[in-house]
Amino acid sequence: EVQLVESGGGLIQPGGSLRLSCAASGFTVSTNYMTWVRQAPGKGLEWVSVLYPAGNSYYTDSLKDRFTVSRDTSKNTWSLQMNSLRVEDTAVYYCARGHALTTMQYYLDYWGQGILVNVSS
Amino acid sequence: TQLTQSPSSLSASIGDRVTITCRASQGISIYLAWYQQKPGKAPKLLIYASSTLQSGVPSRFSGSGSGTDFTLTISSLQPEDFATYYCQQLSSYPYTFGQGTKLEIK
Repeated sequence: EVQLVESGGGLIQPGGSLRLSCAASGFTVSTNYMTWVRQAPGKGLEWVSVLYPAGNSYYTDSLKDRFTVSRDTSKNTWSLQMNSLRVEDTAVYYCARGHALTTMQYYLDYWGQGILVNVSS
Repeated sequence: TQLTQSPSSLSASIGDRVTITCRASQGISIYLAWYQQKPGKAPKLLIYASSTLQSGVPSRFSGSGSGTDFTLTISSLQPEDFATYYCQQLSSYPYTFGQGTKLEIK
């Protein structure tokens, strides 16, 4: 059974750093498109980043200078390092598995339960 | 690529046929997915590649479209279908979502 479990969220002051992790079971992260999506309180979904099986990554333009994705194949996890956090980064962050449609396109077939990041002084 | 969903909210009754539209600001071929989200829960994949039903999703859900115009149709609303629906384009980065359509009970 495929499962995704996020960890590492919480309350952080503006300007601080936080590292979210997503533990996967039932599949191997290194062979899938591992994605982060966030949702600000009461708002819609925002795609954040993806880490490809080959190791390349993509980010939404407004976040690419502050957020970095990585993976640990030995633990079957991947992470989102978030630096210089701002109040507007407050959101529930979801990790999701991308299932390939083509070599570039994928859809999100499994999601974690989400974890809250609250950036506030 | 921007996605515009319409309507933003919709009131309907059990048994109604409902259609939600998603329009892309540029052509995205068939690279569109639909998700359902209930309050406090993660989104759930319903349809991908515009019209392919995800395994386990009831057949009352269907999708169509290509290029810039897409639709999600629920043929006969059930109580568990009242939720917010999002489209997402899978054509180019960033993989943007529509703003959502909240489906409420009339």
